[in-house]
Amino acid sequence: DSGVTQTPKHLITATGQRVTLRCSPRSGDLSVYWYQQSLDQGLQFLIQYYNGEERAKGNILERFSAQQFPDLHSELNLSSLELGDSALYFCASSGLAGGNYYEQFFGPGTRLTVL
Amino acid sequence: GQQVMQIPQYQHVQEGEDFTTYCNSSTTLSNIQWYKQRPGGHPVFLIQLVKSGEVKKQKRLTFQFGEAKKNSSLHITATQTTDVGTYFCAGGDSNYQLIWGAGTKLIIKP
Repeated sequence: DSGVTQTPKHLITATGQRVTLRCSPRSGDLSVYWYQQSLDQGLQFLIQYYNGEERAKGNILERFSAQQFPDLHSELNLSSLELGDSALYFCASSGLAGGNYYEQFFGPGTRLTVL
Repeated sequence: GQQVMQIPQYQHVQEGEDFTTYCNSSTTLSNIQWYKQRPGGHPVFLIQLVKSGEVKKQKRLTFQFGEAKKNSSLHITATQTTDVGTYFCAGGDSNYQLIWGAGTKLIIKP
């Protein structure tokens, strides 16, 4: 158990819909990262938040947005969903400044299926 | 943008054979991390290398960071069924971000 929690575990929805994925980082970790992993593919970095502020952006679509709240939990919002958005979405957290010198602890992921 | 190339994409080995995956960057990395993702699981941190030419061992796993800090490798000796999974490298760039390799999937032939 990494200490990072994600809800829900599974999500099935239809094209055009909007969903929200939730992540609670490890206690004390200020940085949260979101990743997308399509079937049997690598990890696509989406976005990083540090202590409530956006720190880095990866290949995140305009239809996707995220935020980190004062209690440090984070939400990833996916809207106007398309079939190609079906994937496993991981949240990870790391300590302190969350730079590249700190290991990332991954949650169990949310599997999104868009029908 | 900066990329970390990881090869091979897949490697099939017989149990007991060795396995190696390689990562290469076009630019100097500040550090490199390795993660393992078991089938159906999430990535788990294995190790971090920071120094030029650094070599670290964890039982049957040997991790190397090149002298120029542009490449790295993970070698597993005498693979076991518990080694199955995808191994990712992630290199630290000048903006203090991790650039992820595409991963190498280790498949052990029955």
